[in-house]
Amino acid sequence: GIQVEQSPPDLILQEGANSTLRCNFSDSVNNLQWFHQNPWGQLINLFYIPSGTKQNGRLSATTVATERYSLLYISSSQTTDSGVYFCAALYNFNKFYFGSGTKLNVKP
Amino acid sequence: DAGITQSPRYKITETGRQVTLMCHQTWSHSYMFWYRQDLGHGLRLIYYSAAADITDKGEVPDGYVVSRSKTENFPLTLESATRSQTSVYFCASRVSGQGAPEAFFGQGTRLTVV
Repeated sequence: GIQVEQSPPDLILQEGANSTLRCNFSDSVNNLQWFHQNPWGQLINLFYIPSGTKQNGRLSATTVATERYSLLYISSSQTTDSGVYFCAALYNFNKFYFGSGTKLNVKP
Repeated sequence: DAGITQSPRYKITETGRQVTLMCHQTWSHSYMFWYRQDLGHGLRLIYYSAAADITDKGEVPDGYVVSRSKTENFPLTLESATRSQTSVYFCASRVSGQGAPEAFFGQGTRLTVV
């Protein structure tokens, strides 16, 4: 398998602040996804981004596949952004490997 | 309802009992997965299936059994539940193909073994 590491493990922000979450993976992957796990435990798809940059509102993601990392940017954070953010890498076209997550707490 | 659904959402069982968690998807996705989520470990793959009647082990398969007789269903059975199997279980699915499209997750089943 592969190793997927996320940083930082915990992040506390004041509402309105920006942040960058990082995901490193140890080998070439076929796909990279970002998820948000809300306080009710539901996993919400944010981005499917094997390479390049995508944006969706205040969130954007960049994957540099040749350097084996992906970044998730959150701008103008809101309290509803709180939760855990996971990245997951698809390896050998079958198995997804997850990082341990970044727990984000946005304070009003 | 369209999508991927898990049942039950919550389950309490006793040590040594057999319990089956159900997963059903309406997209006819080829691939289906079972993960468990524990504090400090993120999500770990238990089993996955590339198609009906094709299953394979993930990172933590011990104590679990899966089957996939129909494309849309992928049940996970704990043959003799242990306290260490107390966890939140997630099922996921995606289409096959070299394009490696995204995976979609069910809402999870919170299992407590007492």
